[in-house]
Amino acid sequence: GENVEQHPSTLSVQEGDSAVIKCTYSDSASNYFPWYKQELGKGPQLIIDIRSNVGEKKDQRIAVTLNKTAKHFSLHITETQPEDSAVYFCAASQGGSYIPTFGRGTSLIVHP
Amino acid sequence: KAGVTQTPRYLIKTRGQQVTLSCSPISGHRSVSWYQQTPGQGLQFLFEYFSETQRNKGNFPGRFSGRQFSNSRSEMNVSTLELGDSALYLCASTTRQGEETQYFGPGTRLLVL
Repeated sequence: GENVEQHPSTLSVQEGDSAVIKCTYSDSASNYFPWYKQELGKGPQLIIDIRSNVGEKKDQRIAVTLNKTAKHFSLHITETQPEDSAVYFCAASQGGSYIPTFGRGTSLIVHP
Repeated sequence: KAGVTQTPRYLIKTRGQQVTLSCSPISGHRSVSWYQQTPGQGLQFLFEYFSETQRNKGNFPGRFSGRQFSNSRSEMNVSTLELGDSALYLCASTTRQGEETQYFGPGTRLLVL
C-alpha cells in the first residue's frame, strides 16, 4: 500500500518568515495530493491540493510543488502569521477508488 | 451552507462498552468517510459509505462498523471498547464517491477508561 512520510514533525518560525513542509510517497499510481490544516479542536480543513499533471500551484501565501519523478511534494507558506499556527497534514491518493494515506502531521508554530 | 456536523463532540466510556457516533454530511453530499486520529498512529481511514453501501474499508477489526441512511447521515459503532480506541473520530463528506476533496467535521473525542 501507499506510504507517506512527512517532515519535519515540528516547525517553529518567526512571524514573516517562510515555512516549508515536505512529504514523500511510495506509490507511483498516486495522483492527487491535498494539504490539510487542523486547528485545535477542529477537523482538518483543505487548504490547497495538486494533481499529478501539475508541477506547482499557488494560492496567495500558500504554494505546493510536486516532483513526480522523486515522488515528493512540498507545502510552502510565505510571510507566515500567528494564525498560521496549526498542524498541517499531507495526503496522497488515487482518483476513483479513494482511500487516502495521510502523513503524520507537522506542528507549525509561528512566533509573533 | 452548513458544514459537516458530528455528535456528540465528547464521550467518555469504559472498557467493554459500545459506542455510536453520528455524522451529518454537508447538504447534497452523498459520500461519508470515517477516520480515527491518534497521536501515535495519525489519521487512519476506517471506511467510506456511498448510497447506504460500504464502498471502502480500512484495516480495522470487525468491532468497528458503520452504516449510512437514505438521507446520507452516517453512524459508526465500536463494540467492546478497548483503551486503545481512545481517539478523535472524524467524519468527512464529499459530493460523490471517489471525489478526492473531503470536507471534515470537528470530530468526536472518545475517551475509554
